[in-house]
Amino acid sequence: AQKVTQAQTEISVVEKEDVTLDCVYETRDTTYYLFWYKQPPSGELVFLIRRNSFDEQNEISGRYSWNFQKSTSSFNFTITASQVVDSAVYFCALSEVANTGNQFYFGTGTSLTVIP
Amino acid sequence: DAGVIQSPRHEVTEMGQEVTLRCKPISGHNSLFWYRQTMMRGLELLIYFNNNVPIDDSGMPEDRFSAKMPNASFSTLKIQPSEPRDSAVYFCASSFEGLPGTEAFFGQGTRLTVV
Repeated sequence: AQKVTQAQTEISVVEKEDVTLDCVYETRDTTYYLFWYKQPPSGELVFLIRRNSFDEQNEISGRYSWNFQKSTSSFNFTITASQVVDSAVYFCALSEVANTGNQFYFGTGTSLTVIP
Repeated sequence: DAGVIQSPRHEVTEMGQEVTLRCKPISGHNSLFWYRQTMMRGLELLIYFNNNVPIDDSGMPEDRFSAKMPNASFSTLKIQPSEPRDSAVYFCASSFEGLPGTEAFFGQGTRLTVV
């Protein structure tokens, strides 16, 4: 079973529009962490944000914000006033703190294209 | 810190040849992951080491794939014999398990093309 689901395969928006990337996860652990990574066209994976399972407070950091809801097992990521440089593939990831150490599970990614 | 270092960055090989991908994790990190990225399947976890010991290799596609971590600063992923369907970008990542919730740091990947 897929532990992290990103239902949106591709999204296109016009520059300056807001865009929300959806992520749904599945875990039986009570302690876990959620992440968003960005993969620009250059190919490297860049860490963006992290959230732990005990902190449902939503946050804003610059143009980025995220909405974590345990009740729906969702961890959505919003970019406000999108820019062309935001064009990338975005991955949501889950880390379960198991006895054998941290394991990371990634979604299949959402490809975001920001049109100038 | 130089980050996670992978080599080579690009590899083109003929079907049937042996391919070895290399990874040097960030110094002090004790968890290491190998991922494969394709358009069809996204990022797949192949194998996960903790303190140089393979913990979960359930993602390794078949016996043609093997991975080793002889010490804390080096890991290899070997494909023998290689097939065209192995063409993908292979990422190595490391993290420090002693800090719960620490992110995984990725190398720049090895783009493998099997012709």
